[in-house]
Amino acid sequence: QSALTQPRSVSGSPGQSVTISCTGTSSDVGGYIYVSWYQQRPGKAPKLMIYDVSKRPSGVPDRFSGSKSGNTASLIISGLQAEDEADYYCCSYAGSYPLVFGTGTEVTVL
Amino acid sequence: QVQLVESGGGLVKPGGSLRLSCAASGFTFSDYYMSWIRQAPGKGLEWVSYISSAGSSIYYADSVKGRFTISRDNAKNSLYLQMNSLRAEDTAVYYCASLGSFNRYFQYWGQGTLVTVSS
Repeated sequence: QSALTQPRSVSGSPGQSVTISCTGTSSDVGGYIYVSWYQQRPGKAPKLMIYDVSKRPSGVPDRFSGSKSGNTASLIISGLQAEDEADYYCCSYAGSYPLVFGTGTEVTVL
Repeated sequence: QVQLVESGGGLVKPGGSLRLSCAASGFTFSDYYMSWIRQAPGKGLEWVSYISSAGSSIYYADSVKGRFTISRDNAKNSLYLQMNSLRAEDTAVYYCASLGSFNRYFQYWGQGTLVTVSS
């Protein structure tokens, strides 16, 4: 099972919106509603931000949202803040292979 | 609140063994599937293994199959990873994580423990 494809980096100014894409295949992202997103700040453990494509766990700001179209899922960060600077990873259920991660995206707040 | 605390990491020579532990608290450990995920220095996340709530279903990534063994002790609220025949490419921070509903995402993560395989 190959890793899902994410852009290496995205950037935006405070207050702007950024979108991180996560491209897989019909065997993972396109085949299931089970895409999740994780935020990892430098030196810290990953933190769940979105699950089941678009659901937010308690405590995650509503500036974070998720969507999916075909084989590509997206994480949208609206109203970008300095604290959002981190690495972000998508993850998808892939049937017989439990869960596969994306390659990761570094978000920079300009 | 939910806490996952890993321990057991360290420096080991190639071919050596190490046993990682993950102590869970703040939730009913025996109800949840658990997983180990690793991250090599400067690299992305790699799923390693997971185990069902009762320990009856176990999966491994191909990269560790035959060398690593996952287990759990629900009476002790603990998860383990026995790592044998370690290689340089196993060098990573190892995280334990609990799986969310329908086991389709990693809900809570520990802080990680560093394993370094080097002569």
